[in-house]
Amino acid sequence: AQSVAQPEDQVNVAEGNPLTVKCTYSVSGNPYLFWYVQYPNRGLQFLLKYITGDNLVKGSYGFEAEFNKSQTSFHLKKPSALVSDSALYFCAVRDMNYGGATNKLIFGTGTLLAVQP
Amino acid sequence: GAVVSQHPSWVICKSGTSVKIECRSLDFQATTMFWYRQFPKQSLMLMATSNEGSKATYEQGVEKDKFLINHASLTLSTLTVTSAHPEDSSFYICSARTPTGTSREQFFGPGTRLTVL
Repeated sequence: AQSVAQPEDQVNVAEGNPLTVKCTYSVSGNPYLFWYVQYPNRGLQFLLKYITGDNLVKGSYGFEAEFNKSQTSFHLKKPSALVSDSALYFCAVRDMNYGGATNKLIFGTGTLLAVQP
Repeated sequence: GAVVSQHPSWVICKSGTSVKIECRSLDFQATTMFWYRQFPKQSLMLMATSNEGSKATYEQGVEKDKFLINHASLTLSTLTVTSAHPEDSSFYICSARTPTGTSREQFFGPGTRLTVL
């Protein structure tokens, strides 16, 4: 079965320190991977995606993610955290049943990032 | 990037009434839109896939007659919660998929908070 796992419910980091939000996936074939951020009472905002190409993907607001096929991971990273980065982060993978034709996304359970000043 | 709006942003209604939520793609045509619901501190649960000009495809366990979806144009999909009850209170989020030929990523609306008294 296809799935996405975010093993940490919450990540705490001090402002200025590097941050990592973990994501692992299980999907048939080549994965299409996404990271979204959600601020309180708001919809999801797209951060970045991996479709093919370089394993290191750069996205919005200074975030980047590294695709690791052997570890089936797509961890989100940022070199220096800001207090304003505090939000809920979701990893998602495209449902590859029917060759991905349904365009459905399978979401992880989310990780709350708390950046302390 | 592509912009998706939802209206209303929040609604309070009495038990037994029906509520309509609109999802619009503002600067692109979306042949496919998705409706999700999100409970507090939980991930997004896909309810249905809305295709312009055809019937929606509902996920297993989602009542078709309870959650009516209409995708009448390439920029508008509506979700009507019929005979709403307190257990229908949730955060409803729509997304719209960019047209075929691009990366086909989903862009999310800001969400609608439904409270049923």
